[in-house]
Amino acid sequence: NAGVTQTPKFQVLKTGQSMTLQCAQDMNHNSMYWYRQDPGMGLRLIYYSASEGTTDKGEVPNGYNVSRLNKREFSLRLESAAPSQTSVYFCASNTGTSGRSTDTQYFGPGTRLTVL
Amino acid sequence: SQQGEEDPQALSIQEGENATMNCSYKTSINNLQWYRQNSGRGLVHLILIRSNEREKHSGRLRVTLDTSKKSSSLLITASRAADTASYFCATDEGGGSYIPTFGRGTSLIVHP
Repeated sequence: NAGVTQTPKFQVLKTGQSMTLQCAQDMNHNSMYWYRQDPGMGLRLIYYSASEGTTDKGEVPNGYNVSRLNKREFSLRLESAAPSQTSVYFCASNTGTSGRSTDTQYFGPGTRLTVL
Repeated sequence: SQQGEEDPQALSIQEGENATMNCSYKTSINNLQWYRQNSGRGLVHLILIRSNEREKHSGRLRVTLDTSKKSSSLLITASRAADTASYFCATDEGGGSYIPTFGRGTSLIVHP
């Protein structure tokens, strides 16, 4: 039981490049989330998915797209990376069925992204 | 916008001492959760307290909730060096919005 896994762990991009961050969970959770963490800012929600096939914007969605590929996987795509997107990205999941759930969040180890 | 805000931002204590950190929030909530983050790792859930509860315990952790003051505190008793981490509170915004919102965290250093 791996919980929530994220790939890659580290990534360096040049401005304008694109990439996809992958997230998978093996806990049969319904809801999945993408957060970014910046120094002194805590975690901010980018997008979430209440169930397979549905996605909703969070607090800071601009510059990102997401895909809920199936119940296990939720990917985050940067189409044209900008230095302001340098951050640590965390994926999380929980058992809630609405996406708007206060159930315990289970977090992945994070992806450290630098955009030059 | 951040619903919960932790205080202090940083806390440095000796092993064996108690550590207290606080969380204040702005609007009514359904529940409040505390998480820990070790350096370079993801967040790990510690404890959840519901809006109709006033105090909860889990091992060396004690959480209180005062909904009239819109605040919560996390007490770690008999701290250990392994408790060194950042601690975050997460709240929802009450009503129909249940998306957890995280504060900026308290950085705790426990010196051996």
